[in-house]
Amino acid sequence: NAGVTQTPKFRVLKTGQSMTLLCAQDMNHEYMYWYRQDPGMGLRLIHYSVGEGTTAKGEVPDGYNVSRLKKQNFLLGLESAAPSQTSVYFCASSYPGRQQETQYFGPGTRLLVL
Amino acid sequence: AQSVTQLGSHVSVSEGALVLLRCNYSSSVPPYLFWYVQYPNQGLQLLLKYTSAATLVKGINGFEAEFKKSETSFHLTKPSAHMSDAAEYFCAVSDYSGNQFYFGTGTSLTVIP
Repeated sequence: NAGVTQTPKFRVLKTGQSMTLLCAQDMNHEYMYWYRQDPGMGLRLIHYSVGEGTTAKGEVPDGYNVSRLKKQNFLLGLESAAPSQTSVYFCASSYPGRQQETQYFGPGTRLLVL
Repeated sequence: AQSVTQLGSHVSVSEGALVLLRCNYSSSVPPYLFWYVQYPNQGLQLLLKYTSAATLVKGINGFEAEFKKSETSFHLTKPSAHMSDAAEYFCAVSDYSGNQFYFGTGTSLTVIP
């Protein structure tokens, strides 16, 4: 039981390049989330998914796209990276819809955009 | 919209001293509240959560938090700090639908030997 895993762990991009971050969970969770963490700003929700084939915008969705083709995977895409997207990205997953359910976090992906 | 405010971005305590990390929430409905801990270069781990069952919530590693509706607070405490408690701590609240979680800006705890 690996929990939540993220690929890659670290990446350097040039402005304008594209990339996809992969999140995988083996806990059969319905809900999955992508956050970015920046100094002094805590975690901010980018996009989330409440089930396979569904996605929704969070607090800071601009410049990102997501897909949830399989229940266990949640992909975060950057079509044209910008220096403002330099951040640490965390994926999380949880059981369906009850507010009290815990989120389980991956180890993070550090992205540097030059 | 729901939100949380963490007072103090950095807190330093001596080993063995009381740890108090502050969190105030804003919510128009009964909230569900969480404390997470993040160790260096790791993801977040749940310390404890309030789900309206009891106002005093006990978590892992000796931490506890008390929900005070009159003060809209959910402060995290530990009677005696240990060196291994040095980490970043985040307070979070979930929205009414349970679809989104809102995190505070975090408090970095330093434990002085």
